[in-house]
Order: sequence, then structure tokens, then C-alpha cells
Amino acid sequence: DQQVKQNSPSLSVQEGRISILNCDYTNSMFDYFLWYKKYPAEGPTFLISISSIKDKNEDGRFTVFLNKSAKHLSLHIVPSQPGDSAVYFCAASADPGYALNFGKGTSLLVTP
Amino acid sequence: NAGVTQTPKFRILKIGQSMTLQCTQDMNHNYMYWYRQDPGMGLKLIYYSVGAGITDKGEVPNGYNVSRSTTEDFPLRLELAAPSQTSVYFCASSIVQGSTEAFFGQGTRLTVV
Repeated sequence: DQQVKQNSPSLSVQEGRISILNCDYTNSMFDYFLWYKKYPAEGPTFLISISSIKDKNEDGRFTVFLNKSAKHLSLHIVPSQPGDSAVYFCAASADPGYALNFGKGTSLLVTP
Repeated sequence: NAGVTQTPKFRILKIGQSMTLQCTQDMNHNYMYWYRQDPGMGLKLIYYSVGAGITDKGEVPNGYNVSRSTTEDFPLRLELAAPSQTSVYFCASSIVQGSTEAFFGQGTRLTVV
């Protein structure tokens, strides 16, 4: 049973605009949420994370928002750049005690 | 630092053959993981280890075995390969399990025919 869901398999955005990637989860025990970026033929690389005690975390062009009551998080990329084109995975885990649960990924295409 | 290194990058196996996917990390991380990614799917945890000599099953362990004799190495063994094991395999390591980011290798693309 998929505990982390990314319901949009793909997203296309123009360069300079905002990209919003969404993620929902079902396990209320999850306390840590991460976003990974993956290029073809490479392993996932860590992008940004947030813990359940926060509702927002920002790192440069990337911001993650967490809505615990809705069990929903989103990744905002502003402004989007062609180099951001990749597959983005949402991941979650409970308190240090288990490994990451991943969503199926959203393929982002940023067009010039 | 090389990070997490996986070998081989590609492999084709015949049904019933066996092989070992190698994974080594040079970051002195205690925690290591094996994931598989099937087409259009997220990563599913096969096995993990919280330190040398300690391993445990993840979500999809059937058909696989692991060992962790050193902090650096975490090989994944496939016995009696089956077409259902065709996938991309990723090894990862982290300092603290779950609460901080895991670092991934480049992956091993395995095809069983």
C-alpha cells in the first residue's frame, strides 16, 4: 500500500515561472519529509527536507511547505530553470527508526 | 570522497543465475540501504543495515540476501534470478536513519532474461 503518493506523473513549466510539485501521505507517524531529484542514469540526490515541527523550509529557489492536518506537502521552485528538469521524488519516514518511503515521482520539464 | 559506489552499472542475467551487487561507501555512515526501482514506480526498500553485523528486511526482501561485515560494504545477493527482479537497484547510506538525507549510488540496471 502506497503511503506516499505523488498523483501527478508529469509537469511542464516555462522557464522563469513557478513549479509546484505535490505530495500526499497517509501515515500519521511520518515526521520527516524529504525531496529528492533524479536525473536519468543517476542516483537520487537530496534536495530539501522538512520536519513535522515546521510548516515551511526554504533553501534558495526551493521551498517545501508542510500541511500536517491535510497530510500534504509541496515543493515550490522559483524561478524554474531548464536544469531543474528531472524526476522529483517525495519521501517520508517516521522518527529515526525506519528507512525512507518514496512516492512514484513527478517528472518536471522546464521549457525555455 | 567517492560517496556511494555501486558495481556493476549494468548486468544481464539468465533465469536461475546468481549474482552479487556490490556497494561501498567511504563516508563512515552506519546506516546503509538497498532499494529497487521498477519502471514508473518509487523506490522500494529491500534490506537495510544499521551497522556492521546487523541487517534487517525491508518492504520487498524475497529473493535477496545481504551481509554487512564492515562499515563500508553492503553487498546484495540475488539467488536464482527471476524476471520479476528486473529493476534498477540503488544502494544508499546515511548518518542517522531516516532523519537526515540518504546518499545514493548511481544504480545498477539489472535485466533477467
